[in-house]
Amino acid sequence: QVQLVQSGSELKKPGASVKVSCKASGYTFTNYAMNWVRQAPGQGLEWMGYISTKSGNPTYAQGFTGRFVFSLDTSVSTAYLQISSLEAEDTAVYYCARDCTSCHFGYWGQGTLVTVSS
Amino acid sequence: QTVVTQEPSLTVSPGGTVTLTCASSTGAVTSGYYPNWFQQKPGQAPRALIYTTSNKHSWTPARFSGSLLGGKAALTLSGVQPEDEAEYYCLLYYNGAWVFGGGTKLTVL
Repeated sequence: QVQLVQSGSELKKPGASVKVSCKASGYTFTNYAMNWVRQAPGQGLEWMGYISTKSGNPTYAQGFTGRFVFSLDTSVSTAYLQISSLEAEDTAVYYCARDCTSCHFGYWGQGTLVTVSS
Repeated sequence: QTVVTQEPSLTVSPGGTVTLTCASSTGAVTSGYYPNWFQQKPGQAPRALIYTTSNKHSWTPARFSGSLLGGKAALTLSGVQPEDEAEYYCLLYYNGAWVFGGGTKLTVL
């Protein structure tokens, strides 16, 4: 069955970087794009963008350019989200979510809590 | 900036029927916006329920249905169960970008 398993919680200081992983199993990794979604504490969902797992080409939503980088390692079926120059406002749960053949965001990882605090 | 609007909260009695809506600041919602609906319970990841207006995933309970209603996307729950208490999010597509609604907190009381 399709599984997206994300890396564990992170506690980082302002100005540091973090890399969140999303390991896929149960399907051919390069067949479906991977989205990233942010959820700040007590807030709603926010689409950050996606990466084509075929080409590796990322697309970033408004507000997620510059400090946010999507990448892949297809040899281990894993997508990554790296955030640099962390700010307190980056404190959130970050989800990866896979598209389907005829749908989007059909499968979700369990989420990774990133806390930015001095 | 495009805004997707949902009812902040709704309350329904067990066994009842409730409709949640999803409006776009750009005008009427059509299937071309590929409306999606998600359910999220506290401490859990969102779960996909409906895609492209009215299509159900294999795991979506039959009591959930999606439609277009009065220029909005709609999610109807018929025969509501206590376990349906959750936050519900809609998602619309705009020329290469996805925008989530603010969410509806559904209380079953």
